[in-house]
Amino acid sequence: EIVMTQSPATLSVSPGERVTLSCRASQSVGSNLAWYQQKPGQAPSLLIYGASARATGIPARFSGSGSGTEFTLTISSLQSEDFAVYYCQQYNNWPPYTFGQGTKLEIK
Amino acid sequence: EVQLVESGGGLVQPGGSLRLSCAASGFTFSFYEMNWVRQAPGKGLEWVSYISSGGSSIYYADSVKGRFTISRDNAKNSLYLQMNSLRAEDTAVYYCARDPTVTTGISTFDYWGQGTLVTVSS
Repeated sequence: EIVMTQSPATLSVSPGERVTLSCRASQSVGSNLAWYQQKPGQAPSLLIYGASARATGIPARFSGSGSGTEFTLTISSLQSEDFAVYYCQQYNNWPPYTFGQGTKLEIK
Repeated sequence: EVQLVESGGGLVQPGGSLRLSCAASGFTFSFYEMNWVRQAPGKGLEWVSYISSGGSSIYYADSVKGRFTISRDNAKNSLYLQMNSLRAEDTAVYYCARDPTVTTGISTFDYWGQGTLVTVSS
């Protein structure tokens, strides 16, 4: 089973700031990595797939990069609606699909 | 508009059973692979089970193997999860999630339901 590790667990940032979230896989997943956003009380929603492709309707301020075992999600200028929990997920070797433990973005 | 609506959650005693349903609309359900993903209170996401579009391929997480059964009825546009021998650690919100591989070649979860809460407690 591929273990996904996200860092940091929590990030305190101010609106307008640029932020980078990290995700590491225990073995190579190629570019088969997705990012999800989950707001309180809501289901997760797909942000990024293929490590760097934005899902339909996702603003350009969200970008993903990386391949192999190291990945990042960057939000170029944080908006109030971006404060949420972000999860990475690998779909290279499944079953099982595996998720990171999440990074919570909170307002500084 | 794609919609996934789960139902069937509730309070059940340890060792009990529950059947979850997911009603799909807004897309051709029979074309798509589907999954169940759960989230324990205050915790992260855990994939539970997968079923292919025709139902011939099925996979489970080790944590539920032998206790849960995924199924689908394409005529009714519905996905199911039969949960037996429930344990306290199965307490979670259960989401059904669509896999867009058929249209994108990408095996992610592009649409999610709102979830249904399962609480296992005496």
